[in-house]
Amino acid sequence: DTGVSQDPRHKITKRGQNVTFRCDPISEHNRLYWYRQTLGQGPEFLTYFQNEAQLEKSRLLSNRFSAERPKGSFSTLEIQRTEQGDSAMYLCASSPGGGTEAFFGQGTRLTVV
Amino acid sequence: KQEVTQIPAALSVPEGENLVLNCSFTDSAIYNLQWFRQDPGKGLTSLLLIQSSQREQTSGRLNASLDKSSGRSTLYIAASQPGDSATYLCAVFKAAGNKLTFGGGTRVLVKP
Repeated sequence: DTGVSQDPRHKITKRGQNVTFRCDPISEHNRLYWYRQTLGQGPEFLTYFQNEAQLEKSRLLSNRFSAERPKGSFSTLEIQRTEQGDSAMYLCASSPGGGTEAFFGQGTRLTVV
Repeated sequence: KQEVTQIPAALSVPEGENLVLNCSFTDSAIYNLQWFRQDPGKGLTSLLLIQSSQREQTSGRLNASLDKSSGRSTLYIAASQPGDSATYLCAVFKAAGNKLTFGGGTRVLVKP
């Protein structure tokens, strides 16, 4: 499978716990994006990488959130001290470059109880 | 700030009818516009990408038009089938912002 891969697909965690999600982009795509989607809404931008450099972060990305893309390959999104409001679908996308077609993964559904 | 709107939020049609989905955006200075399909609990599948210099793009039963000056795009799905039931999202890419801005989506139900 050569598409965008996200792991895990589902995560249930207790409030206050830390969680980490992984995204493997399409090979050789230098752009990688993270979005968050709540029920009935469109995805909201969180952050994006050009290779290993994190170039933009949304105000939605509080200091409890951190994202990395070491060596410009896979990326991780960590949420510390989870809150119930963090419950959402976290989507990863990649593209060959800025303004080119974006391809999304299947998402990670986070439920904070 | 770019805002993207999709109206209606939900649509129900009988099988065989043509679907017309609307997308409007407030800032016409876009680089491209992309239409996606999303099945319940799943990720997004790219349907069509229209560059800002293009007026339309076609793929099979799908046709998307773009009128950048008026801030509108329309996705047409010909001869709808129950398998077309899904949520359809449009998103615009503004080079300066380096990110896609999404509408809220239109949830489509095609009744057999």
